Order: sequence, then structure tokens, then C-alpha cells
Amino acid sequence: GENVEQHPSTLSVQEGDSAVIKCTYSDSASNYFPWYKQELGKRPQLIIDIRSNVGEKKDQRIAVTLNKTAKHFSLHITETQPEDSAVYFCAASLYSSASKIIFGSGTRLSIRP
Amino acid sequence: GAVVSQHPSRVICKSGTSVKIECRSLDFQATTMFWYRQFPKQSLMLMATSNEGSKATYEQGVEKDKFLINHASLTLSTLTVTSAHPEDSSFYICSARGARERDQYFGPGTRLLVL
Repeated sequence: GENVEQHPSTLSVQEGDSAVIKCTYSDSASNYFPWYKQELGKRPQLIIDIRSNVGEKKDQRIAVTLNKTAKHFSLHITETQPEDSAVYFCAASLYSSASKIIFGSGTRLSIRP
Repeated sequence: GAVVSQHPSRVICKSGTSVKIECRSLDFQATTMFWYRQFPKQSLMLMATSNEGSKATYEQGVEKDKFLINHASLTLSTLTVTSAHPEDSSFYICSARGARERDQYFGPGTRLLVL
């Protein structure tokens, strides 16, 4: 089955700097890669996703890159703000309604004022 | 966006009792629902996938006789934790997907504490 590894487990950056979180996946059939943000005690919220037919996607301060050959994908947050502090999860899935999403282990991001 | 609710949000029960958690899709038909468990400071671990009208598919290591999942309608799935023990204390989150949906929509979660 699919296995998703995520690094680092914790990340502290100065406000205004960039944060990068990296993930790898094992199943070459996976073609959908969502990223979630989870605040303490709350549900995960989808912040951006990418399908395997593109290599990069950007939404304001957030961007995701995908290297299918290496089975790597990354989340980039620029101009970080205090409200970006949360736990971020990468995930991998097949792009269909029945396919399960497998989560990475999570990255606790802290933004230093 | 699509809305998924869970009930109850919190439950405290005695060891040995059973607890039922409901997951409802409020404004779409959920052909597939997923149940996750999340221990403190850990990731979401998929427990099982359920499709409306059929038996759930459990992930390796998840006891199907202990965690009973029912998906009897396109808007409701239930997870029953039978004979709960303190080690079952966790945050249980459901998610739902429609037939045409790309995304999973997560419920708010249920915090279970077994004394």
C-alpha cells in the first residue's frame, strides 16, 4: 500500500521568512496530492492540492511542487505570518471518489514574531 | 463547500461500554466515507473505508469486530466502538466524498475519553 513520509516533524521560522515541508510517496499509481492544515483540536482543512499532470501550483503565498519521477512533493509558504502556525499534513491518493487518502506524519510549524 | 457533521463532539464513557459516533454529509450524497483516528501529536490514521450499502474495508491492524462501521445511507455513516478501553481514547474524524468529488470533506471530529 501507499506510504507517505514527511519532513521535518517540527519547523520554526521567523515571521516573514519562507517555510518548506517535504514529502515522499511510495506508490507510483498515486496521482493526487493534497495538503492540509490542522489547528489544535480541529478538523484538517485543505489548503492546496496538486494532481500528477502538473509540476507546480500556486495560490497566493502557498505553492506546491511535484516531482513524479522522484516521487517527491513539497509545500512552500512564503512571507509567513503568525496565523500560519499549525500542523501541516501532506497526503497522497488516487484521484477518484473511492480512493483513500494516506497522510504523512505531519509538520508542526511555528512562526516566531 | 460541502459540510460534514459529527455527533457527538465529545464523549466520556466507562471502560467496557460501547460508543456510537455519527457522521453525516449535510448537503451532498457521500458515496464513500472514511474513518480516521488521531492520537495526540500524531497523524490521522485511516481505520476504514465504507461505501454506501456495502461492508466497510478495514485497514491492516484495525479490528473490525471492535470498530463497527455502518454506511446505510448516502448521508450517514456510524462508527461504534465496542467494549471501549482506555487505549481507545482518541480523536475520531470522519470524512466524506461524493461520486463526483475530488476532495474529502472532514467532519469536526469526536473526542472519546474512556475511563
